Amino acid sequence: DTAVSQTPKYLVTQMGNDKSIKCEQNLGHDTMYWYKQDSKKFLKIMFSYNNKELIINETVPNRFSPKSPDKAHLNLHINSLELGDSAVYFCASSQDLGSGSPLHFGNGTRLTVT
Amino acid sequence: TQLLEQSPQFLSIQEGENLTVYCNSSSVFSSLQWYRQEPGEGPVLLVTVVTGGEVKKLKRLTFQFGDARKDSSLHITAAQPGDTGLYLCAGRGTYKYIFGTGTRLKVLA
Repeated sequence: DTAVSQTPKYLVTQMGNDKSIKCEQNLGHDTMYWYKQDSKKFLKIMFSYNNKELIINETVPNRFSPKSPDKAHLNLHINSLELGDSAVYFCASSQDLGSGSPLHFGNGTRLTVT
Repeated sequence: TQLLEQSPQFLSIQEGENLTVYCNSSSVFSSLQWYRQEPGEGPVLLVTVVTGGEVKKLKRLTFQFGDARKDSSLHITAAQPGDTGLYLCAGRGTYKYIFGTGTRLKVLA
């Protein structure tokens, strides 16, 4: 069984388009995250949600809008895509916001903006 | 801003050699984790260290958390090709994990 699944795996689109990435976790975790990994493999947090409530918005442009319909899902919608948005986006979950809770990652969505 | 610098950035070694990866910060973290990431996949947790000075062993991997909880190291004994991957440390900040700059390890058979 896949613990954290995100779709699509690959996304190729043109500048100015709007796209969404979906994420679901079946671990029963309370907390979910979106991370962005750039071409140098640096992972930077974008958002975290706990029980559907936004906890962290790490100075992400408001073209990025996360939505959590329930605590098992955290989707990411991106408006007016730019070249600099090209990256791999990872969804992750953890049991809760506690300091010992490890992250469980999905396999990433590689977004290419042309 | 909390930053975690890893060194070396790249490492290519022969099978059977030993290596150490370092993760350093000027900030104190309540806990620190190490992950390994393989191409096309998400990072997978290797270990969590919580107490300053703590040492944990996972088969041929030894993890240490600095006394001041600002740094950590990962030592691999007798590296194998299966150890190849991207190693990431992650420090626990307020409601988030801050990832290090990463170390890409390649072990040649």
